Amino acid sequence: NAGVMQNPRHLVRRRGQEARLRCSPMKGHSHVYWYRQLPEEGLKFMVYLQKENIIDESGMPKERFSAEFPKEGPSILRIQQVVRGDSAAYFCASSPPGQGPSPLHFGNGTRLTVT
Amino acid sequence: AQSVTQLDSQVPVFEEAPVELRCNYSSSVSVYLFWYVQYPNQGLQLLLKYLSGSTLVESINGFEAEFNKSQTSFHLRKPSVHISDTAEYFCAVRGPNAGKSTFGDGTTLTVKP
Repeated sequence: NAGVMQNPRHLVRRRGQEARLRCSPMKGHSHVYWYRQLPEEGLKFMVYLQKENIIDESGMPKERFSAEFPKEGPSILRIQQVVRGDSAAYFCASSPPGQGPSPLHFGNGTRLTVT
Repeated sequence: AQSVTQLDSQVPVFEEAPVELRCNYSSSVSVYLFWYVQYPNQGLQLLLKYLSGSTLVESINGFEAEFNKSQTSFHLRKPSVHISDTAEYFCAVRGPNAGKSTFGDGTTLTVKP
């Protein structure tokens, strides 16, 4: 399957723990986007990365959240000291390089539950 | 900055009835427009897109959308829906220089027998 792969599908963390969400983009895609979906809400942009660079992090909370997309390996969204309000579905999407109007290809998401 | 407004959060319809899901956008630059569909516990899948050219675009499963620049709208329509069309539908815009896509809050389409 050459689609966008996210893992884990479900993640349960206690308040104060760290959550690490992983995303492997489609083959040949070098642009990665993270979105958060709260219950009964739409997708809210968090961060846009290319290999080793953060291009746009205007949607990232200022504290506790970070993202990376290293030269080798998947993109990681990291949430430190999780709180109940972090419970949501986190989606990763990818697109190919170039500035053409490509649609996004989404993974199936990681559903984070903070207890 | 760009924004997307989906005017209906819930649309219930009976099977074989027509449906329209409304989407309006706001942008200071020209944009590309997309409709995505999300089935339960899955990610979003592209349904159709408007990039340029003909303002009426179609998907392989009978949906169509029309880009109306003067009304800044991109409404999604289907003349006859099926039970299997029950899903969440998201309208999205993307600027000319790649980067992020901005999504509406979604419309839940429920098709009843």
